[in-house]
Amino acid sequence: KNEVEQSPQNLTAQEGEFITINCSYSVGISALHWLQQHPGGGIVSLFMLSSGKKKHGRLIATINIQEKHSSLHITASHPRDSAVYICAVSYLQGAQKLVFGQGTRLTINP
Amino acid sequence: DTGVSQDPRHKITKRGQNVTFRCDPISEHNRLYWYRQTLGQGPEFLTYFQNEAQLEKSRLLSDRFSAERPKGSFSTLEIQRTEQGDSAMYLCASSSNLGGAVGYTFGSGTRLTVV
Repeated sequence: KNEVEQSPQNLTAQEGEFITINCSYSVGISALHWLQQHPGGGIVSLFMLSSGKKKHGRLIATINIQEKHSSLHITASHPRDSAVYICAVSYLQGAQKLVFGQGTRLTINP
Repeated sequence: DTGVSQDPRHKITKRGQNVTFRCDPISEHNRLYWYRQTLGQGPEFLTYFQNEAQLEKSRLLSDRFSAERPKGSFSTLEIQRTEQGDSAMYLCASSSNLGGAVGYTFGSGTRLTVV
C-alpha cells in the first residue's frame, strides 16, 4: 500500500462542473501539498496545508487530520484546468522530503 | 529571481554514456531536492542537500548516480553508464526552512531518454 493514495486516477468532466479529487495518507504528517503538473513536466505548488481549509480563486483544499484525508475542489471547471493534480505529504523529521501520490489526470472538455 | 532552473530540458543519450544535469535553486533556499518521475507515476525522492551537505539519499540512488552541491548554490546530478531504465523526468526542487514554513518550488525538469 502506498503511503499516499489518490482517487480517482483519471477524471473527465464537462466545462463548468464541480471537481473533487481525494487524497488519503497513512501516517502523521507535518504538511500536505497539492501540486499541479502540466504536459511537459513542470510542477506548480497550489497549496500547502496542515489543518482546515485554504482557497485560492476557484481552487479549494481541505484537510481532516483525524481521518488522514484531504480533498482538492475546483469550482466552475475550465478546459485550462486540465492537468495532473498530485497530492504529496511531508514529515516533520529529517529531510522533510515530499512523498507523492500517483496523481489524478483531469480532463475538462469544452 | 526567476525560480528554479534546470538544464538541459531534454537529453537523449545512448546506453552506457554518462550524463550530467544541473539545477539552480532559488538563491535564498538552503534546501535542495532531486526527484525522479517515470511515466504515469508520481515523483520519487532521490536525494536532499541542506546547503552543501548531502544529508539523505534514497536507495533508488545506485552507485551510478552521484549528486553534488559544491558551494551550497547550484547542484549537479550525474548518471554514469546510463541504462534504459534511467529514462525518466528528473525534477529539482528547493525550499527554505529559515522562515518556519517549508514551501517548495519546482524546476521544469530534465527529461532523459536513454536509447
